[in-house]
Amino acid sequence: QQPVQSPQAVILREGEDAVINCSSSKALYSVHWYRQKHGEAPVFLMILLKGGEQKGHEKISASFNEKKQQSSLYLTASQLSYSGTYFCGTEWGNDYKLSFGAGTTVTVRA
Amino acid sequence: ETGVTQTPRHLVMGMTNKKSLKCEQHLGHNAMYWYKQSAKKPLELMFVYSLEERVENNSVPSRFSPECPNSSHLFLHLHTLQPEDSALYLCASSPTSGRHNEQFFGPGTRLTVL
Repeated sequence: QQPVQSPQAVILREGEDAVINCSSSKALYSVHWYRQKHGEAPVFLMILLKGGEQKGHEKISASFNEKKQQSSLYLTASQLSYSGTYFCGTEWGNDYKLSFGAGTTVTVRA
Repeated sequence: ETGVTQTPRHLVMGMTNKKSLKCEQHLGHNAMYWYKQSAKKPLELMFVYSLEERVENNSVPSRFSPECPNSSHLFLHLHTLQPEDSALYLCASSPTSGRHNEQFFGPGTRLTVL
């Protein structure tokens, strides 16, 4: 079952902050975050594991609320390079496959 | 070549054609994936291969036929497709097919079915 992402799109000026949310109705083992720039491959940003371990990107942070089965990605002091579509992928159940959200398109303007 | 490569990058085909998409990973990974990406929709997992064995077939129509001859190569054979199959087809690989694996994506093949 696919997670739900919000908002669908956000427009920022350089230096502004934004939060992208990813919610699931399933008990999650982990949440993955990817960013895809137009015409390019999705690129891994980070993974948040059940139990609190976190691996990934230096400049973008995220949280995982296990009680709510929700993850939030924090874009702090945004840069032009942050523009793209952000996807969350969730691992749940006995399968090891990822279920992806529909994406959040972030546009950072000068 | 590094990472995950896909060919062709763009493909236009008629509904009666047969074509194949190719994916190659240079990362030494043991798992490979095919995803379909349509506009405004979540990435849809199609197939998963682990150590050259298919471990997932996500209710994909038989007009899509995957092949994994070795752990570095993955093909998607297409025949008698429908216009609604037009989409970006992404290949990915990961060290294993188990939990908590980062997936590395290729740039995709943009498929248009006329």
